[in-house]
Amino acid sequence: AQSVTQPDIHITVSEGASLELRCNYSYGATPYLFWYVQSPGQGLQLLLKYFSGDTLVQGIKGFEAEFKRSQSSFNLRKPSVHWSDAAEYFCAVAPEGGFNTIFGAGTRLFVKA
Amino acid sequence: ETGVTQTPRHLVMGMTNKKSLKCEQHLGHNAMYWYKQSAKKPLELMFVYNFKEQTENNSVPSRFSPECPNSSHLFLHLHTLQPEDSALYLCASSQEQNTGELFFGEGSRLTVL
Repeated sequence: AQSVTQPDIHITVSEGASLELRCNYSYGATPYLFWYVQSPGQGLQLLLKYFSGDTLVQGIKGFEAEFKRSQSSFNLRKPSVHWSDAAEYFCAVAPEGGFNTIFGAGTRLFVKA
Repeated sequence: ETGVTQTPRHLVMGMTNKKSLKCEQHLGHNAMYWYKQSAKKPLELMFVYNFKEQTENNSVPSRFSPECPNSSHLFLHLHTLQPEDSALYLCASSQEQNTGELFFGEGSRLTVL
């Protein structure tokens, strides 16, 4: 069965520090991969996506993610975190042409001054 | 107006009430979705509509009744809900040929007393 695992329920980083959020997936083929962000009281916003090609993808707000097929991972990174990045981050996978996007449980990011 | 709009943003209802959540998308998409977001649980896909036809119903109780009159509008009719139905209900849309890239509304926060 398809699944998405985000091992960290919450992470705290200092403003200006680097960030890496982990995501592992289980899927029979290479799925479409996504990271979404949700600020409090808001819906989810797409940060970046991977369909094929270059395994390092760039997204909005200075985020990037790297697809590693051998590790079934799609980790999100940012070199320098800003206080406004505090939010919940969701990794998601979707089958090509399918409608059932599966989300991880989310990682809540706290940023300290 | 652009994007995906949900109304109302907040709703409090008793277990015997009947209410409806509304979603409208201005993106020209052909697929629309209802997701349920409960505390400490991954997003749960409830319903999918593609070109106004329901394509997914993930074993959702009949007290939730979706309606999709056209590709731009989606409703979730609520009747005889339970307190455990209290959650954030998120509407999303995507292109017909789904790439898994979802565009979310800000959600309707439902509290069932």
